[in-house]
Amino acid sequence: AQKITQTQPGMFVQEKEAVTLDCTYDTSDQSYGLFWYKQPSSGEMIFLIYQGSYDEQNATEGRYSLNFQKARKSANLVISASQLGDSAMYFCASSKGSSNTGKLIFGQGTTLQVKP
Amino acid sequence: DTEVTQTPKHLVMGMTNKKSLKCEQHMGHRAMYWYKQKAKKPPELMFVYSYEKLSINESVPSRFSPECPNSSLLNLHLHALQPEDSALYLCASSQVGGGGGNTEAFFGQGTRLTVV
Repeated sequence: AQKITQTQPGMFVQEKEAVTLDCTYDTSDQSYGLFWYKQPSSGEMIFLIYQGSYDEQNATEGRYSLNFQKARKSANLVISASQLGDSAMYFCASSKGSSNTGKLIFGQGTTLQVKP
Repeated sequence: DTEVTQTPKHLVMGMTNKKSLKCEQHMGHRAMYWYKQKAKKPPELMFVYSYEKLSINESVPSRFSPECPNSSLLNLHLHALQPEDSALYLCASSQVGGGGGNTEAFFGQGTRLTVV
C-alpha cells in the first residue's frame, strides 16, 4: 500500500525567505505520481506541482520546486521568496500508476505560516 | 475554464433530512471524485467515477449515494446522516490517465456539511 509521510505539522517562515516542506513516500509501484496541493482556509485544494516517477529532472513551477530524491523516496517542496499569501495547509499526495490521477493518497499536511 | 464548482458552499441538515451536494466541471474530464475531509485532517477518497461509471467505492456507508448523470456533473445524495458525518466534502475531476505526464486533479471549494 502507498503511504505519504509529512513530519512537520507546522512551520514558520519569514516573508521573502525560502522554506522547505518535507514529504516521504512509501510505495512498491514502479510508476507513480507525486503532487503538492495548497489548501487555504477557504477549503479549496490548489494544485501546485507534479513529479512523475520517471521524470529525471526536478519539477519547477514559478516559486515552487520539487526536490525529488527517488532513492530516498522523498519529494520535498521548496517555496522561494515566501509571501504572506502562502500561509496555508500544504499536502503532499501520490497517485497510483498513471491512471485515475485524481485517486490520491494524502499526507497529514503541514501548516505554513508566513511572518511579515 | 479550469474550475470545479460545488454547491452549496455550506449545508446544515438534520439526521432525518435528505439533501444533495452538486459538482460541475467543464474541462472535458472523464474522471470525477468525492473526498471527505475532517477538520485538520487530509482528504479521504470516497468515490471515483470513470466515464460516468462508478469505478471505486471506498467502503462508504450507504447513507451516501453518488450519482453521475453526465460527464460534467457529479452528485452526492445524503440521507439519514450522523453528526460524525459533518465534514468538508470536496469534489475533484481529472483526465483519465494512462498516457503519463501531468494530469493533475482539479478540486472545487467544497461543501461544509454540518449534521445536527
